[in-house]
Amino acid sequence: EAQVTQNPRYLITVTGKKLTVTCSQNMNHEYMSWYRQDPGLGLRQIYYSMNVEVTDKGDVPEGYKVSRKEKRNFPLILESPSPNQTSLYFCASSLTGTGLYGYTFGSGTRLTVV
Amino acid sequence: DQQVKQNSPSLSVQEGRISILNCDYTNSMFDYFLWYKKYPAEGPTFLISISSIKDKNEDGRFTVFLNKSAKHLSLHIVPSQPGDSAVYFCAASGVSNYQLIWGAGTKLIIKP
Repeated sequence: EAQVTQNPRYLITVTGKKLTVTCSQNMNHEYMSWYRQDPGLGLRQIYYSMNVEVTDKGDVPEGYKVSRKEKRNFPLILESPSPNQTSLYFCASSLTGTGLYGYTFGSGTRLTVV
Repeated sequence: DQQVKQNSPSLSVQEGRISILNCDYTNSMFDYFLWYKKYPAEGPTFLISISSIKDKNEDGRFTVFLNKSAKHLSLHIVPSQPGDSAVYFCAASGVSNYQLIWGAGTKLIIKP
């Protein structure tokens, strides 16, 4: 089954404790992206990647890091999480990233930073 | 400044009637517009898209209309069914800009 898999689904952590949210896709998509969803703000892009070793900042990259060492994986790293990073996070992948073919989303990771 | 706006946070429609969800945008350079549907505890799923060279695209019960002069698009669902109850997001993309710009979403509630 074609899918984007995120782990974990739920995570509660403390301020300053480094964490990684994993994302993997099995569709051989070139483009992958991370979003956060907050009430009243829709989805805001954090980082995206056009291909292996190619990443770029989205609209809200502060406090986040990403890497794309393999085509299928695109982990999101929070080096020192803070309470304002409490949010619902989605990973997405797409054939091209231009929106023409739509994006496939993971099921989300609900992160709480206390 | 929000480039893509969905001004109705929620919409309630009787089952069997037409649901019309609206979206406004400010950037005339957007080339593609997409609608996504999201159920609680799931990621958004792609519903339908339209290119800026068209003014209408249909897929079964779903039709998207684009009015470029008004910078407005709408999603029509006919007839509305209980399973259509979800949050609907409108998003826009430029061919040369590898990002989707999202609206805040409209929660659609279909009443039996």
